[in-house]
Amino acid sequence: DAGVTQSPTHLIKTRGQQVTLRCSPKSGHDTVSWYQQALGQGPQFIFQYYEEEERQRGNFPDRFSGHQFPNYSSELNVNALLLGDSALYLCASSSIPGTHTSRLNYGYTFGSGTRLTVV
Amino acid sequence: DQQVKQNSPSLSVQEGRISILNCDYTNSMFDYFLWYKKYPAEGPTFLISISSIKDKNEDGRFTVFLNKSAKHLSLHIVPSQPGDSAVYFCAAGTNAGKSTFGDGTTLTVKP
Repeated sequence: DAGVTQSPTHLIKTRGQQVTLRCSPKSGHDTVSWYQQALGQGPQFIFQYYEEEERQRGNFPDRFSGHQFPNYSSELNVNALLLGDSALYLCASSSIPGTHTSRLNYGYTFGSGTRLTVV
Repeated sequence: DQQVKQNSPSLSVQEGRISILNCDYTNSMFDYFLWYKKYPAEGPTFLISISSIKDKNEDGRFTVFLNKSAKHLSLHIVPSQPGDSAVYFCAAGTNAGKSTFGDGTTLTVKP
């Protein structure tokens, strides 16, 4: 059973460029959340998608945007890249957004992440 | 303002002994708490959780304790094994869905 898959695994971009990261959720999951993990810190919530709509958003600027497709896969787009955007970007999937029981019993299933370096 | 804090960046214990990882939170609206384990080059893996209405949850060698009055939770691993060496993240959430993570504690279990 495939878990959460993310692509690419590593990426180097230049300041000011735009980047698109991709995520396929675990089979049976329909909700995708994106997290940014800077070095030495915990994951920070960016946003969550369910039914192709952004349901929740963390404290990130509008340069960060996303999309969810009918097959539940998702993209994270970052425009006008800054050096500070260098981080590990994690995608997490779950079934039925926000059901207390599902999150309590299973947490979220994370992918291995995309390491983005902005130079 | 960091709502979930793991004040110990690292912890080293001997194989077979108990590992205790601690986590403090400030938001009294959190109604569930989770622990994740992360190996290098992998995403976090869900380990164990606890509802805010409980004070203890046990799963094999792993037990999570919640003290709501102190806004503190801890993860106990007994006995500790070398394969438990990883970064452990404490996370907390509300029914709205998003999880807030601490900065992690690196556990090293020495053979």
